[in-house]
Amino acid sequence: SQKIEQNSEALNIQEGKTATLTCNYTNYSPAYLQWYRQDPGRGPVFLLLIRENEKEKRKERLKVTFDTTLKQSLFHITASQPADSATYLCALNTGRRALTFGSGTRLQVQP
Amino acid sequence: ETGVTQTPRHLVMGMTNKKSLKCEQHLGHNAMYWYKQSAKKPLELMFVYSLEERVENNSVPSRFSPECPNSSHLFLHLHTLQPEDSALYLCASSQGHSVGSDGYNEQFFGPGTRLTVL
Repeated sequence: SQKIEQNSEALNIQEGKTATLTCNYTNYSPAYLQWYRQDPGRGPVFLLLIRENEKEKRKERLKVTFDTTLKQSLFHITASQPADSATYLCALNTGRRALTFGSGTRLQVQP
Repeated sequence: ETGVTQTPRHLVMGMTNKKSLKCEQHLGHNAMYWYKQSAKKPLELMFVYSLEERVENNSVPSRFSPECPNSSHLFLHLHTLQPEDSALYLCASSQGHSVGSDGYNEQFFGPGTRLTVL
């Protein structure tokens, strides 16, 4: 069956360290993958999109990699801050205009 | 503010009630979506509308009935719901290049409607 897994339900790190979140998928061949941030009681907010022919994408302190052989994406936040604490969701395109989301990783950055 | 608004923000209803959720996008997008988010579960896509035509329906029970009267508005009509339908219902929009193209664009989400079915 098709599955999207994000590495852990929760991740705790110290301020200033790099947070690395993992998204693994099986039985998909997505043309692109997206990462979103969701704060409690709010809708997800788009962060980055990476296409299958791109290995890496950066935006300020964020970096995303996409390995279609390993069927994995890594999401990095460098110099993390307490304000980065949130749930991070990965999403794959799985149909015309359709996205399928992982269950998310809750990141807590300790001051 | 993402440019996508949803009303009401909170809704409590009995199993025999009929209610509607409303979504409006002010971004000029041509696709709109309904998602369900339950505790401890991933976002589940319910319906996709592209240029006011329903292009995807993810085996959603008929007690949920979507309506898209124009490209800016999307409704979800609810009737005879079950307690397990209690969840956060999220609306989103995106801009595609044409009806036949894949959505290679980000989705913009509203704040959601927190629904409780008693």
